[in-house]
Amino acid sequence: LAKTTQPISMDSYEGQEVNITCSHNNIATNDYITWYQQFPSQGPRFIIQGYKTKVTNEVASLFIPADRKSSTLSLPRVSLSDTAVYYCLVARTNSGYSTLTFGKGTMLLVSP
Amino acid sequence: DVKVTQSSRYLVKRTGEKVFLECVQDMDHENMFWYRQDPGLGLRLIYFSYDVKMKEKGDIPEGYSVSREKKERFSLILESASTNQTSMYLCASSSPDSSNQPQHFGDGTRLSIL
Repeated sequence: LAKTTQPISMDSYEGQEVNITCSHNNIATNDYITWYQQFPSQGPRFIIQGYKTKVTNEVASLFIPADRKSSTLSLPRVSLSDTAVYYCLVARTNSGYSTLTFGKGTMLLVSP
Repeated sequence: DVKVTQSSRYLVKRTGEKVFLECVQDMDHENMFWYRQDPGLGLRLIYFSYDVKMKEKGDIPEGYSVSREKKERFSLILESASTNQTSMYLCASSSPDSSNQPQHFGDGTRLSIL
């Protein structure tokens, strides 16, 4: 599976937009780009997933350029409760199930 | 909402004991997974199962085995626990779909081996 590289940590303030960029140079044709969020003492929670261009849901947007070698998770107007670790992954489907490889994630700290 | 329940939040066992970690999901998902999470190493896949009685090794299966006798339940077994198996263990499930259905995680079991 393609290895992902993302910043170890980021700082922001409440109300700001946060963009976390992830690189995945060896992404394969069948791979999807997936982002998870994890709070302390909880399991990771799915945020958003995309294959190309732009995906938006009620929580975030995901921007994927044409070459798919990177992606950017955009969190609009963050709040203190968005402080968490964010994982960028590529997921490959194998006949009905996908396997995930988690990296070390980005620790986002939102301050008042 | 999908619910993945792990039987214990915290567990303390002794070296050499046989340890069972249980996971139950309520969404009739075919796929189930076991990970461990360690500081600085992220999550690593131990085993997964895509059907009852089926299992596949993940990235770090050594020292572990699994059991999937019923669709909703996936057990992780430490045959003879060792101190290097002290970790946070996370279970996940997903439905089979070619468009990459997301995995839903439980809140983890923090296992300490003394």
